Amino acid sequence: GAVVSQHPSRVICKSGTSVKIECRSLDFQATTMFWYRQFPKQSLMLMATSNEGSKATYEQGVEKDKFLINHASLTLSTLTVTSAHPEDSSFYICSAPGQASSYEQYFGPGTRLTVT
Amino acid sequence: DQQVKQNSPSLSVQEGRISILNCDYTNSMFDYFLWYKKYPAEGPTFLISISSIKDKNEDGRFTVFLNKSAKHLSLHIVPSQPGDSAVYFCAATTGRRALTFGSGTRLQVQP
Repeated sequence: GAVVSQHPSRVICKSGTSVKIECRSLDFQATTMFWYRQFPKQSLMLMATSNEGSKATYEQGVEKDKFLINHASLTLSTLTVTSAHPEDSSFYICSAPGQASSYEQYFGPGTRLTVT
Repeated sequence: DQQVKQNSPSLSVQEGRISILNCDYTNSMFDYFLWYKKYPAEGPTFLISISSIKDKNEDGRFTVFLNKSAKHLSLHIVPSQPGDSAVYFCAATTGRRALTFGSGTRLQVQP
């Protein structure tokens, strides 16, 4: 199957700083990528849809000025958590749709963010 | 409004027996359903999927059944193996948009 990578896998930052998470499709192009967040023992919740060459679409309740998304190329989307607070500590996962005829989405390994 | 529900947070079965994981949904617009397996601190791994025009899809030990009238789907794993122990998420989508996930079921297969 298609491979999606994320970097970093784990990051600890101080409250008030910003953190950038990268999501790459390694062997295919993705005009759309999705960013999810998972709190402990909860489900994956969609945060935003990242669109190559245009603005991201955010889900209700997700602050676009706090979670900046940039889809700079067909293989890279970045999520920047600005002015991070302890409540932003979570597991962030990106995904990308596979082949054009497929509904399957391929997920990155996730990034564990801890804000102290 | 939880559109995809997995009402059993956990399930324990003996090795070699069948595991049945259930999922219910409320949005009749969903046209594709997927099952993912997930380990802690890792991304979900795709297992099997089914289109809304079908009622069954089989892949090796994994079979997914869809009952559209009941808005219910299930994942059968037979025979279950200890390596199947993980959290299983049911997900649904319309078109090729983002997935809506259930809350997950933790499966433990006892040797």
